[in-house]
Order: sequence, then structure tokens, then C-alpha cells
Amino acid sequence: SQKIEQNSEALNIQEGKTATLTCNYTNYSPAYLQWYRQDPGRGPVFLLLIRENEKEKRKERLKVTFDTTLKQSLFHITASQPADSATYLCALVIGNNRLAFGKGNQVVVIP
Amino acid sequence: SAVISQKPSRDICQRGTSLTIQCQVDSQVTMMFWYRQQPGQSLTLIATANQGSEATYESGFVIDKFPISRPNLTFSTLTVSNMSPEDSSIYLCSVGRREGRETQYFGPGTRLLVL
Repeated sequence: SQKIEQNSEALNIQEGKTATLTCNYTNYSPAYLQWYRQDPGRGPVFLLLIRENEKEKRKERLKVTFDTTLKQSLFHITASQPADSATYLCALVIGNNRLAFGKGNQVVVIP
Repeated sequence: SAVISQKPSRDICQRGTSLTIQCQVDSQVTMMFWYRQQPGQSLTLIATANQGSEATYESGFVIDKFPISRPNLTFSTLTVSNMSPEDSSIYLCSVGRREGRETQYFGPGTRLLVL
């Protein structure tokens, strides 16, 4: 069956450190992979998109990697800040611009 | 980007009733989608709302339970019919543009509790 797996345990990290989140998928062949941020009581907000032929993508303090052989994406927040505390969702584009989401991984940045 | 509003923001409903959720976008968009986010679960795509034709439903979702309308390029509704407590969830609409169409913008969600 198709699965998108993200760590269910919250990631607690000290301010200024790098937070790294993992997204693993099985039985999908996505052309794109996206990361979203979701704050409590709000809809997800798009952060980054990476294509299957791209190994790495950066945007300000965010970095995403995409390994289609391992079927894995890593999401990094460098120099983390308390304002980065949120749930981060991995999403695969599965055709006709439809998205399949992981459950999300909560990040808590400790001042 | 796109500014998306949803109505109502939350509701408490009785078993067996129906609720219609509205999604309004501040500009014309090509694609609109409806998702469900149950407690502790991932966002699950319910259907793609097609302008001028029937919605396209994902496996496990049917039109009789979740009828969808999309009368124009800025508006859509999702009805949750004959509700049961298992329908308690957050329902979100999202939109995609023709340019940069891979990116989706989400509304704030409608929090539904069925008693």
C-alpha cells in the first residue's frame, strides 16, 4: 500500500540549532515533493517544492533534499528560532496537481 | 498567492443532519480541492472541484456523502451529508493557479463537531 511517513514524535530543539525532519514514502513515484508549515487552527502554508531531478533546494534558512532512490526527503531549518515552532507536513504531488500528505512532524524550538 | 476564506469557521451539528461549507477565493483559480484532516491524522484529499462539471472524488469518498459544487472560478461548496460523529474533522479547501500550479494555497479550515 502507499505510505508517506513522518516522525510522529515532536522534535524539541534548542534555538540556533538545525532541525532536521524526514519524510519517507513507499509505492509512490512523485514528480514533485512539497513541504508545508501548519500552525494550530490554521491551514497549511506552502514552503518549498523540489522536483525529482533536483537534489537540493534552499530558501532562506530552509533546505530540502530529495532522494528518489531512497524515496526520502529531508527538511532542514538552520539557525532555528522559537517562531519556527509548528508542524511541518511533507506532501507528494500525485498527478493532476493532487497532493498526498504525511501526518506531519511537530517542531518545538526552545529559547 | 491567494486569499481564501471559508464559512463557517466552526460548527457543532447533530447526527443525521447536513452542513454546507463555503470556500471563496479572492481571484480566479484553475483548481480547487477539498481535504479532510481528522484528529491526529494527515490531510486527506476528498475531491477535486471542477468548474462546470462534476467533482472528481478520491477513493473512499462518494458524491452522495460529499456533494460538491463549483459554479465559477472563485467559489466552491462542500456538503457533508447525513453526518455521524466519524465526520467530526477539519475540512479545508485549497486552490492552485495555472502559473506555478504545483503550489497550493489553503483556506483556514472549517472545524466540524458532530454529536
